[in-house]
Order: sequence, then C-alpha cells, then structure tokens
Amino acid sequence: AQTVTQSQPEMSVQEAETVTLSCTYDTSESDYYLFWYKQPPSRQMILVIRQEAYKQQNATENRFSVNFQKAAKSFSLKISDSQLGDAAMYFCAYRSARRDDKIIFGKGTRLHILP
Amino acid sequence: DVKVTQSSRYLVKRTGEKVFLECVQDMDHENMFWYRQDPGLGLRLIYFSYDVKMKEKGDIPEGYSVSREKKERFSLILESASTNQTSMYLCASSSGGVGRNTEAFFGQGTRLTVV
Repeated sequence: AQTVTQSQPEMSVQEAETVTLSCTYDTSESDYYLFWYKQPPSRQMILVIRQEAYKQQNATENRFSVNFQKAAKSFSLKISDSQLGDAAMYFCAYRSARRDDKIIFGKGTRLHILP
Repeated sequence: DVKVTQSSRYLVKRTGEKVFLECVQDMDHENMFWYRQDPGLGLRLIYFSYDVKMKEKGDIPEGYSVSREKKERFSLILESASTNQTSMYLCASSSGGVGRNTEAFFGQGTRLTVV
C-alpha cells in the first residue's frame, strides 16, 4: 500500500527567509503524481504545486518549488521569500496514474511565519 | 471557477442520530472523496467513488456509508452518530484522467460535533 510521511509536525521561519518542508512516500508504481496542498487557518484546502513522476524537471510555481528525488522517494517543498500569508498547514499527497485511484495525504506540517 | 460545495459548514447532532453530509461538484469529475481531518492525524480517507454507483472503502470506513446516485453528488452517511465521529469532514473531487487535471479540489469542510 502507498504511504506518505511528513516528519515535521511544525516548523517556523522568519519572514523573507527560505524554508523547506519534507515529504517521503512509498509506492511500487512507476507512474504517479505528487502534490503539495496548503490549508490556511479556517480556510479551504488549495493546491500549491504538482509534480508528475515521469518528469525529471522539478516543478516551480513562483516562490514555491519542489525537490523531487524519484529514486529516494522524496518530495520536498521549498518556499522562498516567506510571507505572512504562507502560514498554514501544508499537506503532501500522492496519487497513482490509474484513473480510479485514491489520493493519499500525509499528516501535515504546520508552518509558522515569524514577523 | 471550479467548485466543490458541502451542504453545511457546521453541524451539531445528537448521539444515535442518522447524519447526512452532502457534497456537490460542478466540474464533471469522475472521482469523489470523503476525508476526515483530525489534529495530528492529517486527512484520512473514509470512502471514495470513481463512478456513479461505485464506491471503494478507504482507510476508516467503519461507522460510515456513502451514496453516489448522480455524478455530481456524493453523500456521506453516519448511520448512528457517535461522539468519536466529531471531526472536520472534507469532500473532494478529481478528474479520472491523466496530465494536468489530476489534483483534488476541496470543499470548505463540515465541522461536525456529536453531543
């Protein structure tokens, strides 16, 4: 069975600094998708960034980028120039490429931004 | 804008009541999911559906059932609510395809309290 592990329950970073959130996963499949989601306090879960396993290039969305290490089954999220609005729960998620498969989430990392 | 709508933001029910949580999506997505979110436990999958009238158990299906009579609607049913089902419930939907449209879109969540 596939699993997703986030080993950092909480992290803090100074505003304008860079922070990296860790995620590892386990799967026997070769084709899959990985995601980072953000859940601000009392607000809806939204997608931050997506990575297709068949792509070697790491995904980037503005200040957010990932370090995808397929062999190591590692998928970390880097947030550059942290802003107060980045404070949230961040969830790493996995989905196989099969049409009818579920999406599996890690337990989340709560990120605090220090002014 | 894509939308997943959950029928209630907050619910208070009594122990033993039958509870219905409704979720509607307007994106013509094949897949729909019900997750439960508890502090420290992340998102745990209760049930998912990859087609009308199809359902698959997730990690914690005990005490729950689901119904998907129409593609856009996925209902979660607590047959006899208990206090340990007090939680935040998140509905999500996703395309069953591959490529860019693989992520889950979430509703705003229903905070259920069973007293």
